Amino acid sequence: KAGVTQTPRYLIKTRGQQVTLSCSPISGHRSVSWYQQTPGQGLQFLFEYFSETQRNKGNFPGRFSGRQFSNSRSEMNVSTLELGDSALYLCASSLGSQGFRHEQFFGPGTRLTVL
Amino acid sequence: AQSVTQLDSHVSVSEGTPVLLRCNYSSSYSPSLFWYVQHPNKGLQLLLKYTSAATLVKGINGFEAEFKKSETSFHLTKPSAHMSDAAEYFCVVSEGYGGATNKLIFGTGTLLAVQP
Repeated sequence: KAGVTQTPRYLIKTRGQQVTLSCSPISGHRSVSWYQQTPGQGLQFLFEYFSETQRNKGNFPGRFSGRQFSNSRSEMNVSTLELGDSALYLCASSLGSQGFRHEQFFGPGTRLTVL
Repeated sequence: AQSVTQLDSHVSVSEGTPVLLRCNYSSSYSPSLFWYVQHPNKGLQLLLKYTSAATLVKGINGFEAEFKKSETSFHLTKPSAHMSDAAEYFCVVSEGYGGATNKLIFGTGTLLAVQP
């Protein structure tokens, strides 16, 4: 079974631009979560989708948004990029919506650099 | 609110010696706890998880962790370190026990170095 895939793996953007990152979960998984990883703030939860519905959202500005499609693939969008948005963005997929029951599988991440 | 605290940001051991990575948790109810590992430029891999079954949890690659409610701890151990264990390790708690959420709360990480 293929793992979680994220595209692109690397991105370089300039301040003010917008970016879209994509995540394809493991086949059969209906839940996708997104995390931002930076040296200063560590791993922080962005949002979580289950069956196309956003179930939970972290403490990030409205410039960060996401969505999930009927095939469970998910995208996240960051508008008006700032230097501080430079980070590794990780996607995780899970069979169900109860994190204490189902293992979450992480993708390799998208490394975003904002210049 | 749930939280985890990793007590050491860096740990260095010699190959073949035991590994101990320390984690304390804070939770208003019985938590679900995990240890994840991240190798350089890679995603996160689940080592083991505790979900209120046996308090001694065995994971992959010889790692294990013991849930101690009286000490609010969930330390990760391995009897004998291998060079390939060098990585960053994260102690993690699931936010919603019994609830419908996959939100994970990560500790700050412990970077494990293994010396030959």
